[in-house]
Amino acid sequence: DAGVTQSPTHLIKTRGQQVTLRCSPKSGHDTVSWYQQALGQGPQFIFQYYEEEERQRGNFPDRFSGHQFPNYSSELNVNALLLGDSALYLCATTALVTDTEIRMNTEAFFGQGTRLTVV
Amino acid sequence: GQNIDQPTEMTATEGAIVQINCTYQTSGFNGLFWYQQHAGEAPTFLSYNVLDGLEEKGRFSSFLSRSKGYSYLLLKELQMKDSASYLCACMDSNYQLIWGAGTKLIIKP
Repeated sequence: DAGVTQSPTHLIKTRGQQVTLRCSPKSGHDTVSWYQQALGQGPQFIFQYYEEEERQRGNFPDRFSGHQFPNYSSELNVNALLLGDSALYLCATTALVTDTEIRMNTEAFFGQGTRLTVV
Repeated sequence: GQNIDQPTEMTATEGAIVQINCTYQTSGFNGLFWYQQHAGEAPTFLSYNVLDGLEEKGRFSSFLSRSKGYSYLLLKELQMKDSASYLCACMDSNYQLIWGAGTKLIIKP
């Protein structure tokens, strides 16, 4: 059973360019969350996708957009890159399990991340 | 606002015990997670607490007090490979994970 896979693992872009990062969820997981992690910091939530729609969004500008496909995989797009966008971008997937009136979220499984460097 | 606080850095000796504390304020509460993250790698799951009390899993234990908004991760019989960052994260009423900045744990021989 493949876990969460992200591509590419490393990327160097020039300021002003656009980038697309990809995430394939763990088998059985249907919810994808994207995080940005700057060096020495905890992950910062960007947004979450479920049923091909953006459900939640963190405090990130519109330059950050995403998409989820019918097979639950997801893309993160960043336009007009800034030097400050350099970070580790993590994708985490979960499965929402409904149990009568209780909705419980399983642990989040992370991909290895994409290290983005903007020069 | 929502906030997770944990110490920035801790140092401990190989073979000893260390406790990493986490306090939280979130909009609703659906559980608290601890993750381990080695430098340059993705976080990996350690524990999940949703009820008050202690959850033990081998050398690692996690405690939760919902009334105090407090949790700790206890690491016993420390090994050099335990040197890593330990992240505390709370799940809020929207089932969204709110993350702390992490505690960097340094193990000395």
